Amino acid sequence: QVQLVQSGAEVKKPGASVKVSCKASGYTFTTYAIHWVRQAPGQRLEWMGWIVAGNGNTKYSQKFQGRVSITRDTSAKTVYMDLSSLRFEDTAVYYCARGVAVAGMDSFDPWGQGTLVTVSS
Amino acid sequence: QSVLTQPPSVSGAPGQRVTISCTGNSSNIGAGYDVHWYQQLPGTAPKLLIYGNNNRPSGVPDRFSVSKSGTSASLAITGLQGDDEADYYCQSYDTSLSAYVFGTGTKVSVL
Repeated sequence: QVQLVQSGAEVKKPGASVKVSCKASGYTFTTYAIHWVRQAPGQRLEWMGWIVAGNGNTKYSQKFQGRVSITRDTSAKTVYMDLSSLRFEDTAVYYCARGVAVAGMDSFDPWGQGTLVTVSS
Repeated sequence: QSVLTQPPSVSGAPGQRVTISCTGNSSNIGAGYDVHWYQQLPGTAPKLLIYGNNNRPSGVPDRFSVSKSGTSASLAITGLQGDDEADYYCQSYDTSLSAYVFGTGTKVSVL
């Protein structure tokens, strides 16, 4: 079955960087995009950006432009999300999700299990 | 950042029908982009519930249905059940932001 498995929880200090991985299985990796979405405690879902797994093209939300980088390793069927200059308000669960094109835009299915990133001094 | 607006909570008795609205603007829903809906059970990752025009992934019952008009969309749940208690989010694309956007989320409670 189609599955996305993310790396484990992280605790980082303000100003540091974090790298979260998302390993795909059960489908042709290069056929789909992978999106990253985060959810701060008790808050709504927030889209961060995406990567087209086939050619590596990326698009980032303006909010995270300059701080986020999404890359992929096609041989490992894994996508990585790097977030730098961490702030306390970056504490959140970070999800990856496969993008499935529907009428010119993506729906997100399935989702990874989530990775809790805690920014604490 | 532009968001899609949903009511914070809705509730209903078992068996009843509840609806969740999702209000956008001319840059997202009003621009003709599809609206997708997700269900997030407590402590779990979101799950795609309905995509586009009432398309349900395998396993999603037809008690869930959607409609869309102008700059708004809505999700209806009929025959409300206890395991429908969850947070629900709408999602679309915003052309002015060149970004995907989510709704503010709605908590459904079964009385």
